Amino acid sequence: TQLLEQSPQFLSIQEGENLTVYCNSSSVFSSLQWYRQEPGEGPVLLVTVVTGGEVKKLKRLTFQFGDARKDSSLHITAAQPGDTGLYLCAGAFSGSARQLTFGSGTQLTVLP
Amino acid sequence: DAMVIQNPRYQVTQFGKPVTLSCSQTLNHNVMYWYQQKSSQAPKLLFHYYDKDFNNEADTPDNFQSRRPNTSFCFLDIRSPGLGDAAMYLCATSRVNSPLHFGNGTRLTVT
Repeated sequence: TQLLEQSPQFLSIQEGENLTVYCNSSSVFSSLQWYRQEPGEGPVLLVTVVTGGEVKKLKRLTFQFGDARKDSSLHITAAQPGDTGLYLCAGAFSGSARQLTFGSGTQLTVLP
Repeated sequence: DAMVIQNPRYQVTQFGKPVTLSCSQTLNHNVMYWYQQKSSQAPKLLFHYYDKDFNNEADTPDNFQSRRPNTSFCFLDIRSPGLGDAAMYLCATSRVNSPLHFGNGTRLTVT
């Protein structure tokens, strides 16, 4: 059973469009991280959200942590081809070195 | 400068022939992880070390073993690779309750 569900699984859009990726769980996390992975490389951390209701912005990317700390969203404004990649959310439980539960991933393709 | 280094980037092995993948880190993180990732899927945790303590995931096949001789290095040994073991293998490090730092992975092909 997938603890963290991401949707959509695949997304192909034109340059300049907006999009939102969702990450949902029935579990409460101490924090949630978003990673982006480009082909042939390892995932790279984009942001960590910790507080319920928290919103963080990273240029054209807006991340929100749900009030109950069970879900999160990533919104990209005016997508660029450089945004193409696999977006992964990962939930963390405090006090555990095992730490992260990864979501199922969203493969985003931004067409020029 | 790369902080989590995986070698080699690409590895080809024959069905049943043992193979070792290596990972080194310059971050002095006490936790090291090995993940398996298949095409466009989420990474799947195989095991992790918390300092010298080895923690195996329940569904990691016995075919996969790991060694961590010191803080900086960690190895993934696949004793008898099958075709289904072809994947990207990702090494990651972290401090406890901190985000992961991934290497660029080793792409394993089994012929």
